[in-house]
Amino acid sequence: GDSVTQKQGQVTLSEDDFLFINCTYSTTTYPTLLWYVQYLGQGPQLLLKVTTANNKGISRGFEATYDKGTTSFHLQKASVQESDSAVYFCALVESNNRIFFGDGTQLVVKP
Amino acid sequence: DAGVTQTPRHEVAEKGQTIILKCEPVSGHNDLFWYRQTKIQGLELLSYFRSKSLMEDGGAFKDRFKAEMLNSSFSTLKIQPTEPKDSAVYLCASSPGTGGQAPLFGEGTRLSVL
Repeated sequence: GDSVTQKQGQVTLSEDDFLFINCTYSTTTYPTLLWYVQYLGQGPQLLLKVTTANNKGISRGFEATYDKGTTSFHLQKASVQESDSAVYFCALVESNNRIFFGDGTQLVVKP
Repeated sequence: DAGVTQTPRHEVAEKGQTIILKCEPVSGHNDLFWYRQTKIQGLELLSYFRSKSLMEDGGAFKDRFKAEMLNSSFSTLKIQPTEPKDSAVYLCASSPGTGGQAPLFGEGTRLSVL
């Protein structure tokens, strides 16, 4: 069945560091790929959405590229800030609207 | 536009009590999801409705968890009876329901069962 894998449980960085959060997926369909961000005490918010292979999603300095070849959708940001500290979830949505979430990656950014 | 509204934001229950959590989806959205979120298990699907019909019911949660969608603008999640292991954040989300749309989440209800 379909699945999403985020291997990093926690990433700790300093301000202005480069961020890379790993996400790989497994599916036999052509899904929509998503990144959500969840700040403490809030629900997950949609950060990025990409619907077509080889396209890139960009939002608030974050970017992710839908790589059908490597079945990956890694999240990157050139320079993180303390305010980016949150949990980041990768997800895929099938055409029938079934959704699969990764386990989430806790990002801690130290000032 | 109003987002997904969940009430209450916090709930404290004694073991064995019945609690009801409420969710108002985004107006016009056809799909509604209930999730349980814990640090250990992450996001677990409890129920999925499409146009008020139950499409998926998380197997492990069937015996004490019951989600209902009374009309297109209101859903409830009943936990009966509650157990301490039910302590978690319960999230409701809705989406338009057309091909691959991203769901919009509410702020969640934090449940503590003593």
